[in-house]
Amino acid sequence: QQQVKQSPQSLIVQKGGISIINCAYENTAFDYFPWYQQFPGKGPALLIAIRPDVSEKKEGRFTISFNKSAKQFSLHIMDSQPGDSATYFCASRAGNTGKLIFGQGTTLQVKP
Amino acid sequence: DGGITQSPKYLFRKEGQNVTLSCEQNLNHDAMYWYRQDPGQGLRLIYYSQIVNDFQKGDIAEGYSVSREKKESFPLTVTSAQKNPTAFYLCASSSHRGEEIHYGYTFGSGTRLTVV
Repeated sequence: QQQVKQSPQSLIVQKGGISIINCAYENTAFDYFPWYQQFPGKGPALLIAIRPDVSEKKEGRFTISFNKSAKQFSLHIMDSQPGDSATYFCASRAGNTGKLIFGQGTTLQVKP
Repeated sequence: DGGITQSPKYLFRKEGQNVTLSCEQNLNHDAMYWYRQDPGQGLRLIYYSQIVNDFQKGDIAEGYSVSREKKESFPLTVTSAQKNPTAFYLCASSSHRGEEIHYGYTFGSGTRLTVV
């Protein structure tokens, strides 16, 4: 009920391509779905987030697609750049506690 | 600027020694968290605290201890009972305020602990 499953574990994309990372959750009480970006040796930083009453949110080259009925959401990185190479974590917020449940992370490498 | 400060950035521990990792925030956040990160294993929750003088065990609390005597501070002690402490430790905080802008976590820059 509390798990968030993230895939793939690693991803290699050519510069200019589209990177897609998927997450699935189980608990329908989750009310907030953020994505975090982490560079080596640094802490994760909030990238983009969505609420379950919205199906898509776009910020620059980053888009979250949300499918409430399937309990899935995904991060799309358009025109991927080598500077996007990082580890990405999805998360889901348990509304009653405010705690975030994190996925296992995806290591993205964008080749020049 | 408001944020979370973790210190030290690098820490070396001898076998059988207790060490304490510092985490301080000036965001006026209510909740604080400690995570351990190992390669390929994501973020694992060690302890968390929703209010001062109260904290709960996370998924991997064995061999660790915490205190929350002040709202701003949430130090983590790695005890000698933790048999494999070499990892990257991350502290985070969040607000209890109801607006969506406050739902996310703010993370520190981490402490890399190595057993020597």
